[in-house]
Amino acid sequence: SQTIHQWPATLVQPVGSPLSLECTVEGTSNPNLYWYRQAAGRGLQLLFYSVGIGQISSEVPQNLSASRPQDRQFILSSKKLLLSDSGFYLCAWKAGAGETQYFGPGTRLLVL
Amino acid sequence: QKEVEQDPGPLSVPEGAIVSLNCTYSNSAFQYFMWYRQYSRKGPELLMYTYSSGNKEDGRFTAQVDKSSKYISLFIRDSQPSDSATYLCAMSFYTGANSKLTFGKGITLSVRP
Repeated sequence: SQTIHQWPATLVQPVGSPLSLECTVEGTSNPNLYWYRQAAGRGLQLLFYSVGIGQISSEVPQNLSASRPQDRQFILSSKKLLLSDSGFYLCAWKAGAGETQYFGPGTRLLVL
Repeated sequence: QKEVEQDPGPLSVPEGAIVSLNCTYSNSAFQYFMWYRQYSRKGPELLMYTYSSGNKEDGRFTAQVDKSSKYISLFIRDSQPSDSATYLCAMSFYTGANSKLTFGKGITLSVRP
């Protein structure tokens, strides 16, 4: 069966510091991978998605970037965090030809 | 007008009640419909998936889609305190590598013992 991992689970960072969040998927090959941010009262916002190694599509221009160095690894980064980057970050995967996405446990980021 | 509108809630019901959660959408191109359940401080989990108009039942849960009226519903029978969570509707235009989901904002349900 497929499993999706995210770490860290919780992160508290000062404004201006760098960020690296990691997501890995087990039990499947060549998944589509997604990064979402969930802010209170604002629903799920799609940030990036990837259909393959090195292929990144950005949905919202912002202070963040994403990379996919390996087939089942997806990384969300920032060089300098802003207060507005605080939120709950979710990674998701889906099979290339499928419709349904499956979410990881999330990373709660607080920027102070 | 947002593409997907979901009743804002929150919703509080007594244990055993029948719960009806609804989403409406504006784009008739949506073909695939999902409901996710999200417990506090956890990632969403897929609850129901359907792609045709009509009802789909899974235990105490029934997903209903009416494409002509552009709304979807999730019914929960004999609600339990363990059903207390945020429920998100989601939909997509098509399957395939570049398909993306559009989500409602979610509604928080509380089932009182």
